[in-house]
Amino acid sequence: SQKIEQNSEALNIQEGKTATLTCNYTNYSPAYLQWYRQDPGRGPVFLLLIRENEKEKRKERLKVTFDTTLKQSLFHITASQPADSATYLCALETGANNLFFGTGTRLTVIP
Amino acid sequence: GAVVSQHPSRVICKSGTSVKIECRSLDFQATTMFWYRQFPKQSLMLMATSNEGSKATYEQGVEKDKFLINHASLTLSTLTVTSAHPEDSSFYICSASPGGRFSNQPQHFGDGTRLSIL
Repeated sequence: SQKIEQNSEALNIQEGKTATLTCNYTNYSPAYLQWYRQDPGRGPVFLLLIRENEKEKRKERLKVTFDTTLKQSLFHITASQPADSATYLCALETGANNLFFGTGTRLTVIP
Repeated sequence: GAVVSQHPSRVICKSGTSVKIECRSLDFQATTMFWYRQFPKQSLMLMATSNEGSKATYEQGVEKDKFLINHASLTLSTLTVTSAHPEDSSFYICSASPGGRFSNQPQHFGDGTRLSIL
């Protein structure tokens, strides 16, 4: 069966450290992988998109890697801040804009 | 740019009521919009793809007669939950992409509608 698993439901880290979130998938062949941020009671907000032929993508303090052999994406937030506290969702796109979401990791950055 | 507005943000109503949720793309035209449902501590689940001027495409297990979708214009899609029951209580979210369905661009989400059926 198809699965998208994010490594942990919750992750607590100290301010200033690097947060690393994991997204693993099985039985999908995504063309794209996307990461979103979701705050409580709000819709997801797009952060980064990485294509299947790309290894790494960066945007300011964010970095995403995509390994289609391991079927895994890593999402890093460097120099984390309390304002980065939110739920982070990975989503696979297999085509035609249909997105399949993981269950999310709730990140808490402790001051 | 690329703002998606969803209304209402919260609905509380009695069992048996029909509820309409609106999703608007404010600064772009959207030939395709998507409707998701999210239960507490669970992932967003795609319910249906709303296509302007044609019938919606529903995911497996989603009752099309229960969740009526109308996409009458390039900026508005509506989801009507008919004869809602407590098990329909959930967080409903819509999304759209400025580039259209095959553009492979990120989707922009509304802020969701919290539906509570008593």
